[in-house]
Amino acid sequence: EIVMTQSPATLSVSPGERVTLSCRASQSVSSNLAWYQQKPGQAPRLLIYGVSTGATGIPARFSGSGSGTEFTLTISSLQSEDFAVYYCHQYNNWPITFGQGTRLEIK
Amino acid sequence: EVQLLESGGGLVQPGGSLRLSCAASGFTFSSYAMSWVRQAPGKGLEWVSAISGSGGSPYYADSVKGRFTISRDISKNTLYLQMNSLRAEDTAVYYCAKSGSSRPIYYFDYWGQGTLVTVSS
Repeated sequence: EIVMTQSPATLSVSPGERVTLSCRASQSVSSNLAWYQQKPGQAPRLLIYGVSTGATGIPARFSGSGSGTEFTLTISSLQSEDFAVYYCHQYNNWPITFGQGTRLEIK
Repeated sequence: EVQLLESGGGLVQPGGSLRLSCAASGFTFSSYAMSWVRQAPGKGLEWVSAISGSGGSPYYADSVKGRFTISRDISKNTLYLQMNSLRAEDTAVYYCAKSGSSRPIYYFDYWGQGTLVTVSS
C-alpha cells in the first residue's frame, strides 16, 4: 500500500498570504495525484488532478506541482472561503489512498 | 448537472447488515467507474470499494474485503454497497464518488453529500 503523508497537519495563516501544502508518497505515483478541499459538513471537492490540472471551476489561485513522490498544492493568495481541510490522493496503485489531510486555519 | 444522492444509512447493531444506494444523474452512468469512500467521525478519507463502468471488476479495501459488496444497476443509474458483518469501526459517513473515467482507479470528479452509518449496540 502506498502511504501518503501530508505536512503540516495544521497551518495557521492570514487571508492574502501565499501557502504551500506538501504531500509525500511512500513510492512513486507517477502523475496520478489529485487534491481535494473539504469544508465542515460538506463532501470533498476536486481541486487538482494529474498533479497540476485544475478541475472545472477551480480558481486560478490554486495550483499543483511535483512528480514521483513529492507534490505540493499552492494557494497564491488565501481567501476566506479557502479555510478548509485539504487531502492529497494517489490513484496509481491499488488500494487507492489518501493523505491524512492538512487543515488551514485563520491566524 | 452531475448529481449523486446517497441513501440507506442509519443505526445498525454490530454484526448487522445495511445496503447503501447512490442514485446518479446528469451523466452517462455506464461510462464511468464509481467508488465508495468513507470518513469516520473527525477522521480523514478512506477508500472502500470501486467498480468499473461496465459493472465488472470490483475492488475492495482490505478492511472490508469479504464483508462488503459493490454493485451497480445500469438500468436504474444506481450504485450500491451491501455491507454485512458490520463492526464499530465501520461507523462513518459513506460517500459515493464518480471516477473521471471508465477506469476504476482514477481521480474522483464528483461526490455525493454522504450518508451516515453508525454501528453500535
